[in-house]
Order: sequence, then structure tokens, then C-alpha cells
Amino acid sequence: DSGVTQTPKHLITATGQRVTLRCSPRSGDLSVYWYQQSLDQGLQFLIQYYNGEERAKGNILERFSAQQFPDLHSELNLSSLELGDSALYFCASSGGLPYGYTFGSGTRLTVV
Amino acid sequence: AQKVTQAQTEISVVEKEDVTLDCVYETRDTTYYLFWYKQPPSGELVFLIRRNSFDEQNEISGRYSWNFQKSTSSFNFTITASQVVDSAVYFCALSGNNNNDMRFGAGTRLTVKP
Repeated sequence: DSGVTQTPKHLITATGQRVTLRCSPRSGDLSVYWYQQSLDQGLQFLIQYYNGEERAKGNILERFSAQQFPDLHSELNLSSLELGDSALYFCASSGGLPYGYTFGSGTRLTVV
Repeated sequence: AQKVTQAQTEISVVEKEDVTLDCVYETRDTTYYLFWYKQPPSGELVFLIRRNSFDEQNEISGRYSWNFQKSTSSFNFTITASQVVDSAVYFCALSGNNNNDMRFGAGTRLTVKP
């Protein structure tokens, strides 16, 4: 157990729907990051939150949004889903630059 | 801009062979961190090593070793006496000064055959 909890582990939904992925960071970590890994693709950075505030944005679509709550858990909202959104979505948390990232086990999203 | 290049898309070796996975990076930051992660078929990302830009000492951990060379902007990973359980996708990653995101290479898929 890495200490980063992602739920659900698997999600199957239809095109056009909206889903919410949840991430609880490791205790004490203020930063949360979201990454998308499409089939046979590398890890694409989506967005970072630090202590409730958005810090950086990567290749995140306008249909996607995220937030970090006062208890530091984060949610990634994906709307108007398309087949191409099928991917493994990872959340990672960090306590600061020297410590690197700790990744959750990912949420596998399948859009049918 | 930060960039990580893993030129080897796929590598296949026979068990007990040594294998080196290459990683070349680009950054303008003076302080940065390099990482290697392993992604086995089960999908999770397993942290292997972290190295900061001021520490060029090579590191060995069991059958794993890492060679960091700032002069060539490389951070290569060697597995000695490979085993079938080493089969996975290996990612090299770079995080700069601001820790705003970690940039990953495209990954190298290693297959170790018995």
C-alpha cells in the first residue's frame, strides 16, 4: 500500500456520461497530481493542486476539471466522455521536491 | 522546457542477461530530480529510485544499478542477471525546481524470456 488511495479501481461508462475519480493523498502530503495513461501511451500530466489551490495545468481537456478539498483529497471530474477518454488515471501525492511522487494504484476508465 | 527521452521502445532479453535502459533528459533548472518507476503488467507504478542533480554518485541496489552523468544528461538503469519478474514498462522521469509536475519519458517495455 503506497498510502495514496484511488477509487474506484475500475469504471465502465457510456459515451456522453460524467464520472468522478477520487484520490486521497498520503498523510501529510499537500500536493496532488493527476496523470492520464492511455493504452500503450506514456503518462500525461493533467493538473496539480497544492493545499487546495490549482498550481499547474498540463494537457487537460476543457471537459475535465479537478479540485482539492480542505481535507486534501482530490477529485477529477470527466464529462461528456468520449471513447478516447478510456485510460488509466493516476493520482500522485508529494510532500515536496526531494521526495518525489507516490502514486496510487490508478483508476481504469473504460468508455463504451 | 523539460523533456525526458527514452529512445528504446521495447527490449527483449533472455533470463540472466544484463540489460541497460537509457534515459536522456533536458532541463534548464539547476536543481532537479530524476526518477525511475516500474509498471508491471498489473498496472501500478512502483518507485525505484530518486536522484538529485547534485549527487552524481552511481547507486546499486541488489541487481539494479543507476548511472547518472550530468555531462551527457543521462540517467541510465541497468538490471544485472535479469529475471522474468523484471518484465515491465520502465519509466524515467524528471522533476524541476518548482515541483509543479513530473515529466515522464515514453517508457521502455522490457520483456525477459525464460
